[in-house]
Amino acid sequence: KAGVTQTPRYLIKTRGQQVTLSCSPISGHRSVSWYQQTPGQGLQFLFEYFSETQRNKGNFPGRFSGRQFSNSRSEMNVSTLELGDSALYLCASSQTGRTEAFFGQGTRLTVV
Amino acid sequence: GENVEQHPSTLSVQEGDSAVIKCTYSDSASNYFPWYKQELGKRPQLIIDIRSNVGEKKDQRIAVTLNKTAKHFSLHITETQPEDSAVYFCAARGGSYIPTFGRGTSLIVHP
Repeated sequence: KAGVTQTPRYLIKTRGQQVTLSCSPISGHRSVSWYQQTPGQGLQFLFEYFSETQRNKGNFPGRFSGRQFSNSRSEMNVSTLELGDSALYLCASSQTGRTEAFFGQGTRLTVV
Repeated sequence: GENVEQHPSTLSVQEGDSAVIKCTYSDSASNYFPWYKQELGKRPQLIIDIRSNVGEKKDQRIAVTLNKTAKHFSLHITETQPEDSAVYFCAARGGSYIPTFGRGTSLIVHP
C-alpha cells in the first residue's frame, strides 16, 4: 500500500511569488490535513479537507489556501510568498479524520 | 482552543537508560493522544497513541500514560538505543478532531 506522497520535495521561490504543493493520500483515505513545520514553532495546523470540502482551518493568513479533488488528492497554495514562509510543509491523511494520521515526507520550501 | 505544552525540549541519555517526555493539554474535551517520532530528514511516524478511556498503554519498550484529571500524558522509553534518537511530538485531539501538537523533544541517546 503506497504511503502519502508529496511533491515536489524541495522548492526555492522568490519573495512575492506563489507556490503550489501537492499531496496524494493513502488510497481510501478521504481526509487530508496540512501542517507547517518550523524549528521554532513545531507543527502548526493549516487546514483539513474531507470529501473536497475544507472542514477545519488553522490560524494562518488568507495567502494560504488549499483544495481537494474528487480522488482525495489535495493541493496547497501560498501566494505572495514571504521569507517567513520558509518551512517544511507536511500533509497527513487519514480515513475519516477521526482515525490515525499518516504523514508524507514533506515539501521543503525556501523563500529567498 | 487546545494548547499543548511539551517538556523537555531536549533530552540527552546514555544507551540503556530510560527516557520520559511529558505533555500537558488544556482542553478537557481532548480524547485522543498520539505520539510521533521524527528522525532527521524523515516524516513524523506514529509510534503509540492512547485514548481517554485508558490510563496506560504499552508496546514493547514504549509506554504512554494518561492522567485525565491533571490533563497530562507522558511517553516512557525504556532501555534506550541509539536508533531511538529523534524528535518526539505529542499531540492532543478533541472535539475539533484536529490534533494540536507540542513543540517537540529532541532525544539524544549516547552509545
